[in-house]
Amino acid sequence: SAVISQKPSRDICQRGTSLTIQCQVDSQVTMMFWYRQQPGQSLTLIATANQGSEATYESGFVIDKFPISRPNLTFSTLTVSNMSPEDSSIYLCSVETGTSGEQFFGPGTRLTVL
Amino acid sequence: GENVEQHPSTLSVQEGDSAVIKCTYSDSASNYFPWYKQELGKRPQLIIDIRSNVGEKKDQRIAVTLNKTAKHFSLHITETQPEDSAVYFCAATLGTNAGKSTFGDGTTLTVKP
Repeated sequence: SAVISQKPSRDICQRGTSLTIQCQVDSQVTMMFWYRQQPGQSLTLIATANQGSEATYESGFVIDKFPISRPNLTFSTLTVSNMSPEDSSIYLCSVETGTSGEQFFGPGTRLTVL
Repeated sequence: GENVEQHPSTLSVQEGDSAVIKCTYSDSASNYFPWYKQELGKRPQLIIDIRSNVGEKKDQRIAVTLNKTAKHFSLHITETQPEDSAVYFCAATLGTNAGKSTFGDGTTLTVKP
């Protein structure tokens, strides 16, 4: 398993501003993933973050809106830029670890944009 | 890309009964099918998974079955308990990265005591 922490746990932001979410893992992992979970809905993969290379974004998500950093094998950040109320969601990071390649999620960051 | 459909969206059972949640997927190349349980306000947690070379897997009261020909897989919970109440998500994964999953819309399971 993996112990994953995220900061902040929640935030309320004004539209037009940006928020950077941090994700820390207690062990080195090759890939980290960022998901969005809108209220009462399912999880949608935003991007895959590899150490030392550009993040890979899924359809519908772009780097200008969700820039990602991956400076080392235990840490990643996701920035939600130029926020609007539609960005209000829970943002979760996850890692794949273990011999079976299981996925573990962080506790999530609950973002509200006013 | 992959598309995952999950049914039912809500399920209410009496304590001790069984619960079955079904998912279908579109891409025959998907080869890893995890199930997650998400309690209110908490993170999703893996409860069981199955890979494409296995037809069925069981872990105590929970079992998953996979039919690759029909492209569907199901979660079975027996002897349900009130603490099984949660949202359950199925997912399908292409390739080798469990983190790159496509999720179903979720099933809200309520177990009545």
